[in-house]
Amino acid sequence: GNSVTQMEGPVTLSEEAFLTINCTYTATGYPSLFWYVQYPGEGLQLLLKATKADDKGSNKGFEATYRKETTSFHLEKGSVQVSDSAVYFCALNPFSGSARQLTFGSGTQLTVLP
Amino acid sequence: DADVTQTPRNRITKTGKRIMLECSQTKGHDRMYWYRQDPGLGLRLIYYSFDVKDINKGEISDGYSVSRQAQAKFSLSLESAIPNQTALYFCATSADSSYEQYFGPGTRLTVT
Repeated sequence: GNSVTQMEGPVTLSEEAFLTINCTYTATGYPSLFWYVQYPGEGLQLLLKATKADDKGSNKGFEATYRKETTSFHLEKGSVQVSDSAVYFCALNPFSGSARQLTFGSGTQLTVLP
Repeated sequence: DADVTQTPRNRITKTGKRIMLECSQTKGHDRMYWYRQDPGLGLRLIYYSFDVKDINKGEISDGYSVSRQAQAKFSLSLESAIPNQTALYFCATSADSSYEQYFGPGTRLTVT
């Protein structure tokens, strides 16, 4: 079946530190991959996506590259801010095309200290 | 105004009670979803609907039912609530041709 494994948190960093949150997946075929972010008290928002191997998704200084050979989609940011404190979810859509059933990882809590 | 709204935002109920959680959207999307979020487990899909006449079970549908009253409304019911249904519940929508799902703010349900 399809599954997503995320690095366990919580992760605590100082402002301007480098961030990596690891994500690996198991899926048949060629899934699309996503990072969603959940700010305190809110629903999830799409942060970035990649729909095929070697694609790089980017948004708000965050990046992730779809690596088929290592089945990974690690999230990175060069310099985190306090406002980046949130829970981050890696997810996959096993079907090519539009969103149907998303499979989510367990989430990684990030806290950025001033 | 928010595009995806959920009511109530918080609810405490007792074991055995029937509970309905409601979701409304103004995005004009055909596809709607109900998820539950538990600490350390991420989000799991309960039910999804691709249009008013289409309802599908997700990964964890046992103990839940849904109703798609209109394109904009999708309700989740717990016929007889039990404590292990204590969780944060999210409604989401998506357009037919889009990868992105839009989430509501969530309903925190506690079953005592």
